[in-house]
Amino acid sequence: DVKVTQSSRYLVKRTGEKVFLECVQDMDHENMFWYRQDPGLGLRLIYFSYDVKMKEKGDIPEGYSVSREKKERFSLILESASTNQTSMYLCASSLLSTATEAFFGQGTRLTVV
Amino acid sequence: AQSVAQPEDQVNVAEGNPLTVKCTYSVSGNPYLFWYVQYPNRGLQFLLKYITGDNLVKGSYGFEAEFNKSQTSFHLKKPSALVSDSALYFCAVTNSGYSTLTFGKGTMLLVSP
Repeated sequence: DVKVTQSSRYLVKRTGEKVFLECVQDMDHENMFWYRQDPGLGLRLIYFSYDVKMKEKGDIPEGYSVSREKKERFSLILESASTNQTSMYLCASSLLSTATEAFFGQGTRLTVV
Repeated sequence: AQSVAQPEDQVNVAEGNPLTVKCTYSVSGNPYLFWYVQYPNRGLQFLLKYITGDNLVKGSYGFEAEFNKSQTSFHLKKPSALVSDSALYFCAVTNSGYSTLTFGKGTMLLVSP
């Protein structure tokens, strides 16, 4: 089975902190994604990557950055956490073809206080 | 730009009755359509997809979906609902020219005993 693992299920951080969310996949997928999920807004794409060291902005990249130094690992960085970044963050991976389904991690619920 | 509409925030059905969760989409070119399910405090799980071929697609847990090109719809269906089907359901779309999925806002399905 494909496994996408996010490093934390729950995180509580203070305003202004630099926050790292880590994601690892074990199926040699080319694509990796970071979404945030908010009630009534569905999933919104923050960043994605289709190869090592490559990154593309999604729909809501402001306030975030990403890093992909190895194929299996995709990190989301909140440069200076703010309360409006309190959300559920979901990592996903997929093969390069858009005809294939994405596999999701279990999610990280981040609270910024 | 591509988009997905899930017109119902919530669908209520009684156990044993058929269920339908609606989805309409907008995309240029040929659509690739997906349904995902999310149980509480979990990531998304893939249910089924339409890429090409038969308009009726069968997926996991007895779910199916019907692709209707003229109505740009991809409704999720199940002949007999179970209480355990209660969850949040997401429809998503892309096409061969994109590498990312666009998700709807989700529909909460509640199946009563």
